[in-house]
Amino acid sequence: ILNVEQSPQSLHVQEGDSTNFTCSFPSSNFYALHWYRWETAKSPEALFVMTLNGDEKKKGRISATLNTKEGYSYLYIKGSQPEDSATYLCAPHTGTASKLTFGTGTRLQVTL
Amino acid sequence: EPEVTQTPSHQVTQMGQEVILRCVPISNHLYFYWYRQILGQKVEFLVSFYNNEISEKSEIFDDQFSVERPDGSNFTLKIRSTKLEDSAMYFCASSESRGGYTFGSGTRLTVV
Repeated sequence: ILNVEQSPQSLHVQEGDSTNFTCSFPSSNFYALHWYRWETAKSPEALFVMTLNGDEKKKGRISATLNTKEGYSYLYIKGSQPEDSATYLCAPHTGTASKLTFGTGTRLQVTL
Repeated sequence: EPEVTQTPSHQVTQMGQEVILRCVPISNHLYFYWYRQILGQKVEFLVSFYNNEISEKSEIFDDQFSVERPDGSNFTLKIRSTKLEDSAMYFCASSESRGGYTFGSGTRLTVV
């Protein structure tokens, strides 16, 4: 069973703050890392799929980096807005499997 | 944008009853999945399905569970005799290849 850890478990920031959270995963047999944004009662929304060591991806105010050698990824949100409030999930994809193994998620709440 | 649709959004059933959760994946996708999240826990992989057969399943996916793609568009998850601990949010997902998942918005199953 793949051990995927995310920290912190929850985070409460003010509007305009920048924030980041961590996903750590086993580095062996790595294939790809997925980040999802999940709001209650909605589908998890794909943010990024990252495959190469040193990858950095950006989508608006959200960006992510990947270190496959040491097995971690950071997700950054610049200038948080209330609409960023959601649970952010990471899920590595390893070996030849097609399944994703999810972390526990980081629950972000952004208040005015 | 194409969507994965799941019905019903909420299902309440008595312990011991059979339930069928329904999903319509994206039409040109080839891989189909079921995941679930018990309240407060991680999103867990249940089963993946490709080329009309199960390609991978987790320990959770025991003899009480089955999947079917009865008509080329629907993808169903059947739980034969529900237990209280089956109460969870069940997510269907599909992908064109490994990675690039699209998730449905889930079915909340409550077993009473």
